[in-house]
Amino acid sequence: AQTVTQSQPEMSVQEAETVTLSCTYDTSESDYYLFWYKQPPSRQMILVIRQEAYKQQNATENRFSVNFQKAAKSFSLKISDSQLGDAAMYFCAYRRSGGGADGLTFGKGTHLIIQP
Amino acid sequence: DAGVIQSPRHEVTEMGQEVTLRCKPISGHNSLFWYRQTMMRGLELLIYFNNNVPIDDSGMPEDRFSAKMPNASFSTLKIQPSEPRDSAVYFCASSLYSNQPQHFGDGTRLSIL
Repeated sequence: AQTVTQSQPEMSVQEAETVTLSCTYDTSESDYYLFWYKQPPSRQMILVIRQEAYKQQNATENRFSVNFQKAAKSFSLKISDSQLGDAAMYFCAYRRSGGGADGLTFGKGTHLIIQP
Repeated sequence: DAGVIQSPRHEVTEMGQEVTLRCKPISGHNSLFWYRQTMMRGLELLIYFNNNVPIDDSGMPEDRFSAKMPNASFSTLKIQPSEPRDSAVYFCASSLYSNQPQHFGDGTRLSIL
């Protein structure tokens, strides 16, 4: 079974600084998808960024970028120029590719605090 | 375009009562997922449907839980009888195709007293 591990229960960063959230996963599949979701106190689950395992190029969405290391099974999220609105729980998630739809396997989450 | 709609947003009921959670996926999406979020276990997949057919229900905790999708625009998750350990936030999500991201509803916070 696939597992996703987020080793940082909580991270704190000064506003406007850069922070990196870690995620590692375990799978025997060669093709899959990785995601970062943001969950603010409103409890919405908001997709931040997505990476296809077959793509070598790291995904980027404005201030959010990932460092995808397939051999190391590592998928970290970098948030540049942190803003107060970035404060939330961040979940790393995995989904295998191929066949029909499949559910997401989530990590336990990292609570990100933005210091003004 | 409306997102995934879940109801109710909050539900408080007594142990032993039947609970029904509802979900309307995004129009045109053909996959629907139910997740449960608790402090202890995090986010867990309960069941998912593809084209209204249940594909994998291995995450359903026990026989007290059941889910249906009678048509492409509606799904229910039912707990009967409910127990205090069922207290959690229940999310519904949908996706257009298997390789597309899942879009989540706002969740139902369920409290069983």
